[in-house]
Amino acid sequence: GAGVSQSPSNKVTEKGKDVELRCDPISGHTALYWYRQSLGQGLEFLIYFQGNSAPDKSGLPSDRFSAERTGGSVSTLTIQRTQQEDSAVYLCASSLAIAGGPLETQYFGPGTRLLVL
Amino acid sequence: AQKVTQAQTEISVVEKEDVTLDCVYETRDTTYYLFWYKQPPSGELVFLIRRNSFDEQNEISGRYSWNFQKSTSSFNFTITASQVVDSAVYFCALTVIQGAQKLVFGQGTRLTINP
Repeated sequence: GAGVSQSPSNKVTEKGKDVELRCDPISGHTALYWYRQSLGQGLEFLIYFQGNSAPDKSGLPSDRFSAERTGGSVSTLTIQRTQQEDSAVYLCASSLAIAGGPLETQYFGPGTRLLVL
Repeated sequence: AQKVTQAQTEISVVEKEDVTLDCVYETRDTTYYLFWYKQPPSGELVFLIRRNSFDEQNEISGRYSWNFQKSTSSFNFTITASQVVDSAVYFCALTVIQGAQKLVFGQGTRLTINP
C-alpha cells in the first residue's frame, strides 16, 4: 500500500516568509509525528497527533511553528516568519499507535527539504 | 530523559567486509523500545528492526544481525558481507511506551561500502 507522502519535496523561501509543509499519513494510521533533521541538531521530535486528542507540542522550537491535523488524516506544519536556522529536512511519520495501547512502529515519509535564504 | 549515542560518525569499508555499527542508550524507564532505521541517499528513513527491553534475544535477518545487551545498554548492528547498496546513514533510536512514544535518535553513522 501507499506509504507516507509529503509535499513539497523541496522548498526554497526567503527569510521572513511563511511556509506550509504537508503530510499524508498511511491510511488507517491514527498517530502522526513531525521531526526535523538538521546538520547541527540531528533528528529531533517536533509534534505528535493522536486521533482527536490534543497534540503533544513539546518539541516545537518556537511559537513560529504550528501544526494542525484535519479530519484525523492530513497534517500541515506551518512555519511563520522563517529564519535561516529553520533550514532543515522536515520528516513526517505515522503509526497505528492508539492512546494507552501498545507501541507501534513509526513509518517515515521522504521529507521536505526547506532552505531559507 | 532518554539519550542515544552513536559514537561512530563515519565508517568506510570495502565490499564483502563485515561491519558493526555501535549504539549505546540511556533511559531510566524499565520498558523501552530500540530501533534501527536506514537513511539511503534518497532521504527516506527505512525501518529495519525494533526490540523491546524484555527481549534480549539477538536477531538475524539475512546479512543483518542485531546484538542487544542490557548489561552494557547497547544495541549494536552488524552487516555481514557488506554490499555497495548498504551505503547509507544508519540511525539507532529509543522510545518509551508512555506518552507520545516519540523517537529519540542517535546522531547517525554514515556507512560507505566501496566496491
